[in-house]
Formats: sequence, structure tokens, C-alpha cells
Amino acid sequence: SSELTQDPAVSVALGQTVRITCQGDSLRSYYASWYQQKPGQAPVLVIYGKNNRPSGIPDRFSGSSSGNTASLTITGAQAEDEADYYCNSRDSSGNPLFGGGTKLTVL
Amino acid sequence: QVQLVQSGAEVKKPGSSVKVSCKASGGTFSSYAISWVRQAPGQGLEWMGGIIPIFGTANYAQKFQGRVTITADESTSTAYMELSSLRSEDTAVYYCARGLQMATICCAFDIWGQGTMVTVSS
Repeated sequence: SSELTQDPAVSVALGQTVRITCQGDSLRSYYASWYQQKPGQAPVLVIYGKNNRPSGIPDRFSGSSSGNTASLTITGAQAEDEADYYCNSRDSSGNPLFGGGTKLTVL
Repeated sequence: QVQLVQSGAEVKKPGSSVKVSCKASGGTFSSYAISWVRQAPGQGLEWMGGIIPIFGTANYAQKFQGRVTITADESTSTAYMELSSLRSEDTAVYYCARGLQMATICCAFDIWGQGTMVTVSS
């Protein structure tokens, strides 16, 4: 199906590791990209391709994929990582598709 | 460094149309796709469509086919998104976003505009 499914909310203790997942059939063939969005701001690309970070993105952000599931891992979460995170890949027509988003709370 | 600067907020009546602009500066415009992504209040991101200016042909999400028109003017490095037959459910922030890779609309977006709030209200 042309859907990307994310958990609505995830929490992590400060300094701990958290994994945010994205499930969808297209992820068996294509990598996901990941975006961070803070309130009132535009999304920011944090991971693309197999596991690539744009310039300026801290190396505590990493990406991985297995089967129909893509994951964004934050190793040593910081208070400033509290945000909404969206995955995106493609739908059955080859057009961009976004997951529903995951709200990350850093405790 | 490429920047995308969008036009200002709009308030529209139901049934009318809105046209939002997205001007690129500081880099190559024509070879990279510009997509439009919207976000309703408290909701997620939704891809509406995109265009590669050098090719001139737009792709649209099925949901918006017939109601959205995306164009690009290479001479001014500006992309436009026009949405017609507006209804209250179209109230959202509309973003333009540049495709990460040349000559393809899908799928990662590395540069985003600041967003344009469109409010549809009678």
C-alpha cells in the first residue's frame, strides 16, 4: 500500500538513545529520508539515502533500514532534539510520500 | 547557499483561488525540482506536486489533480503554486521545497522555504 506508518509519539531520557521507525512497502526498495520539524519552523532534512547527513547535522543522528522498516536513531538525545520527525519515501506512482510524523519528547 | 523565499500570508474566501510564489536565490534553479508541501494546523506534511523548471512539466498528487497548478519561471528563478476552489480544509501552511537530486521530483528535499500561511474563511 502507499502509506508510511510512524508511531505518533516517542519519549527518551536526556542522553539516552532513541529509535524512531517508519514502515511501508516502498521501503523494501527505496531508502527513506528523515526530517526534523520544530514548532513554527520549516522541516529540516537530517538523514537521506542509506545513511547520509547534510552538512550541519550532528553525527548523533543516523539512519538504517531493514525490510519494510526504516529507522532514525538519535544516540545521546539532547534537549534540542525535541521535535516532530517525519519520514518520506515514494508512493506506488513514484511520487513523494510522507509518514504521519512522530513527536519526540526528551525527558 | 540556495535559499527559497515565499510570498506572504493570504486570507481567502471559500471558492476562490490562491497563488503562492517561491523565489530561489544563491544557486542553480532550473535543474532541481521544486515541490509544494502543505501542513494543516496540528497535522503532518502532505506532498501536493512538483516541477522541474528546465523540463516545465509538473507532477501532481492524485488528491489535488484538477485543483492545483504548479509553474516555474526560469527567468526569475521563481516557482508558483495555484490552488483553486478553496475550502476551509485547505487552511494550512504551504511550503516549497527543493529536491535533493537534480532532474527528479522524488524524493528527499534539502532546502525549504519559510512557509506561507493560507487561511480560507468566509
